[in-house]
Amino acid sequence: DQQVKQNSPSLSVQEGRISILNCDYTNSMFDYFLWYKKYPAEGPTFLISISSIKDKNEDGRFTVFLNKSAKHLSLHIVPSQPGDSAVYFCAATQGRNYGQNFVFGPGTRLSVLP
Amino acid sequence: EPEVTQTPSHQVTQMGQEVILRCVPISNHLYFYWYRQILGQKVEFLVSFYNNEISEKSEIFDDQFSVERPDGSNFTLKIRSTKLEDSAMYFCASSLLTGGKSEAFFGQGTRLTVV
Repeated sequence: DQQVKQNSPSLSVQEGRISILNCDYTNSMFDYFLWYKKYPAEGPTFLISISSIKDKNEDGRFTVFLNKSAKHLSLHIVPSQPGDSAVYFCAATQGRNYGQNFVFGPGTRLSVLP
Repeated sequence: EPEVTQTPSHQVTQMGQEVILRCVPISNHLYFYWYRQILGQKVEFLVSFYNNEISEKSEIFDDQFSVERPDGSNFTLKIRSTKLEDSAMYFCASSLLTGGKSEAFFGQGTRLTVV
């Protein structure tokens, strides 16, 4: 039961160019979406989030776009840097007052080539 | 910058033994979580905890698992009788708010190896 999908297991991009990571979800009840970056043997590090009331959120080099009708979101990294090389997880949750269960996608391994 | 800390970083245990994984969430956070990642698989939700009780748990979180906040700073995950398939990275996380208003911050993880 893959509620959050990241269909590209890996992506290679040249330094300085744009990285676009994609994520699709199936549960229409999800209303809050996040991107996490993960290095080997470390915990996920929060990057950026977006609420379902928005279609874009920007933070420095990172921009997340949300297309609710298509149940699709994407993370843009511009310009890409070698230090961005990591596994990127898309996560989604349904906002509730008693807690939130983040459902993670399988991840996309980004390699930024110098 | 405040962070979630987990101890130990690596735990090796024999099958059938009890293990306790420890976490210190960010001090002003109210919601606490445990996730795990089996090698090569995705990060999976185990349990969320708020106001000194479990608020949600997944199918993975069966009777062998329990969580506790024994004092004002620690948050623990206990596995009563470990199985080989419990081998994974276990991540603790915390968030200030909930209801889709706040990201969760993750610790560095504890690698549990059951032999």
